[in-house]
Amino acid sequence: QLVESGGGLVKPGGSLRLSCAASGFIFGSYSMSWVRQAPGKGLEWVSYISSSGSPMYYADSVKGRFSISRDNALNSLHLQMNSLRDEDTAVYYCARGSYKLLPDDAFDIWGQGTMVTVSS
Amino acid sequence: DIQMTQSPSSLSASVGDTVTITCRASQSISAYLNWYQQKPGKAPKLLIYASSSLQSGVPSRFSGSGIETYFTLTITSLQPEDFATYFCQQSYSVPLTFGPGTKVDI
Repeated sequence: QLVESGGGLVKPGGSLRLSCAASGFIFGSYSMSWVRQAPGKGLEWVSYISSSGSPMYYADSVKGRFSISRDNALNSLHLQMNSLRDEDTAVYYCARGSYKLLPDDAFDIWGQGTMVTVSS
Repeated sequence: DIQMTQSPSSLSASVGDTVTITCRASQSISAYLNWYQQKPGKAPKLLIYASSSLQSGVPSRFSGSGIETYFTLTITSLQPEDFATYFCQQSYSVPLTFGPGTKVDI
């Protein structure tokens, strides 16, 4: 199970830190990703982190502003979001990837999502 | 970046129908193609991974095929609970990318 938290309303230029609590599986054995979905739109992959914490990858749209991290001892995943823009408004999902390395990967467990609204 | 396209963008079908959704990649992705189902207000659900492997617990009426740049998702004997939006996604290279989705409705 994955449970996200930390979403909310933030002004443009502000920051937010999302968290994802994992349970029911060996968290440290799996890659994790954040995927977002703007209202009424499709799915957009945001960031990936391997099971060990490195490597990490980002979508161009968030590179330099967002930072993914994980704490395998606490079974938690985080997304630090800085310099937020209107276009970052979306539901943010954490998703479990594979125990294998990319490209052998698929998101087989998803959280319920947390809404991030960027607006003045 | 690898661009993913899907067709059709939407389709209307009836219970019992067989529907096929197509996903194309802008370059070869081998068989690193996954399919997800999403219902309104819910998180996506993995149906098919690696082009044709059925995710555990997913009914066998769902099947996938394809390689390189052309992939299909087929739903045979459509059930009421299958009315949803379907997304393909490539895991071949970063950035990981999704198709725009295909909405299946009545």
